Amino acid sequence: KAGVTQTPRYLIKTRGQQVTLSCSPISGHRSVSWYQQTPGQGLQFLFEYFSETQRNKGNFPGRFSGRQFSNSRSEMNVSTLELGDSALYLCASSLATSNNEQFFGPGTRLTVL
Amino acid sequence: GEDVEQSLFLSVREGDSSVINCTYTDSSSTYLYWYKQEPGAGLQLLTYIFSNMDMKQDQRLTVLLNKKDKHLSLRIADTQTGDSAIYFCAESETDSSYKLIFGSGTRLLVRP
Repeated sequence: KAGVTQTPRYLIKTRGQQVTLSCSPISGHRSVSWYQQTPGQGLQFLFEYFSETQRNKGNFPGRFSGRQFSNSRSEMNVSTLELGDSALYLCASSLATSNNEQFFGPGTRLTVL
Repeated sequence: GEDVEQSLFLSVREGDSSVINCTYTDSSSTYLYWYKQEPGAGLQLLTYIFSNMDMKQDQRLTVLLNKKDKHLSLRIADTQTGDSAIYFCAESETDSSYKLIFGSGTRLLVRP
């Protein structure tokens, strides 16, 4: 079974631009979560989607948004990019059973110049 | 609020056992997890333990949970150079939430 895939793997943007990252979950997984990883803040939860609905949201500004499609693929969008948005963005998929096993993709490395 | 803490660094000799420790604060956590991250890669789920268990063994990995002290440990037996990575412990916020709270990660260096 193919793992979680994320595209693109690397991205360079400039301040003020916007960016869209994509995540394809493991086949059959309906829950997709997004995390931001930075050296200073570590791994922080952004949001979680299940059946096209956002079920949980972390403590990030409204510039960070996401959505999930009917095939469970998910995108996250960051508008008006800031230097501090430079990070590894990780997507995780889950069957959404009680043990909450989440399987992570390789991440998208975003650099904001 | 929830908080997960880990020591930052551990160095062991190849063939020895490694023990990585973690403390958490959310007493309602139902599952606790160990993830491994190699350079330039995403997170690999190693194992998890349900909060009503106190030990789980999976090949070279042993997880110990002391729920009273909110202490979790990961023991890697016969540590190999390929085990060099960053190890994260994480807790699920609640049984119905799929939000994971991660520790800051422990960098394990295995010396030949």
